[in-house]
Amino acid sequence: QKEVEQNSGPLSVPEGAIASLNCTYSDRVSQSFFWYRQYSGKSPELIMSIYSNGDKEDGRFTAQLNKASQYVSLLIRDSQPSDSATYLCAVGGNNAGNMLTFGGGTRLMVKP
Amino acid sequence: GAGVSQTPSNKVTEKGKYVELRCDPISGHTALYWYRQSLGQGPEFLIYFQGTGAADDSGLPNDRFFAVRPEGSVSTLKIQRTERGDSAVYLCASSSRSPGELFFGEGSRLTVL
Repeated sequence: QKEVEQNSGPLSVPEGAIASLNCTYSDRVSQSFFWYRQYSGKSPELIMSIYSNGDKEDGRFTAQLNKASQYVSLLIRDSQPSDSATYLCAVGGNNAGNMLTFGGGTRLMVKP
Repeated sequence: GAGVSQTPSNKVTEKGKYVELRCDPISGHTALYWYRQSLGQGPEFLIYFQGTGAADDSGLPNDRFFAVRPEGSVSTLKIQRTERGDSAVYLCASSSRSPGELFFGEGSRLTVL
C-alpha cells in the first residue's frame, strides 16, 4: 500500500515569511513528485513537479527532493495571503499512466 | 471549452439509486483519470483511461462502480446502488504532457441520503 504523509496543519505564517511544507512517501520506486494547490471549494491545480534529487525553483516556489530519505518539500518565499490554501503532495510510480497517490494535504494560512 | 468540464456539479440522491457523472476532458488529451475526494482528505485514485480503454481500474472500490469512455473523449462514471459512504467529490482530470501533470475539473459533489 503506497502511502504519502503530510502534516494536516494548519501551518500559519506571517505575510512575507517563508512557508515550508513537507511530505514523506513509502514507496521507494516512486519516480515523480508533484505539489498541487487546492483553494477551499475548488479543485487541485499543479504548481510544481520534480523528478530528480535536489532543488527545483519556479518563481517564489522551490521543490526539494531527497529520494534516499523518501522526502519531498515545498518552500514558498515571500508568502502572500493569496497563498492560503491546502497543498497536496502527490507521488507517482514508473507505470505508464503514472497514477498519483496523494497525501491528505497541509493547510497553509498566511496572515497579513 | 478550455478546461475539463464535469457535470453535474452537484448531485443529491437517495441510498440505492443509480448515478452517472460525466467528464469532458481538455481537447486532445488522451489520458483521463477519475479521483474521489472526501472532506479533509487528498484525492483517491479510481480509474485511468488511455484513449478508449481503461488502462487501470484498480482504484474502483467495488463492482458498483464502473466507468466508460467509448469514443476516447467524454467519460462517464457510473455508480449503482449508491450507499451513504459514496458521498464525496468526484474529480476528473486529463493529461497530455508528462503523466502526473493533471488538469482537474471542478468536480461533481455527490451526496447520498
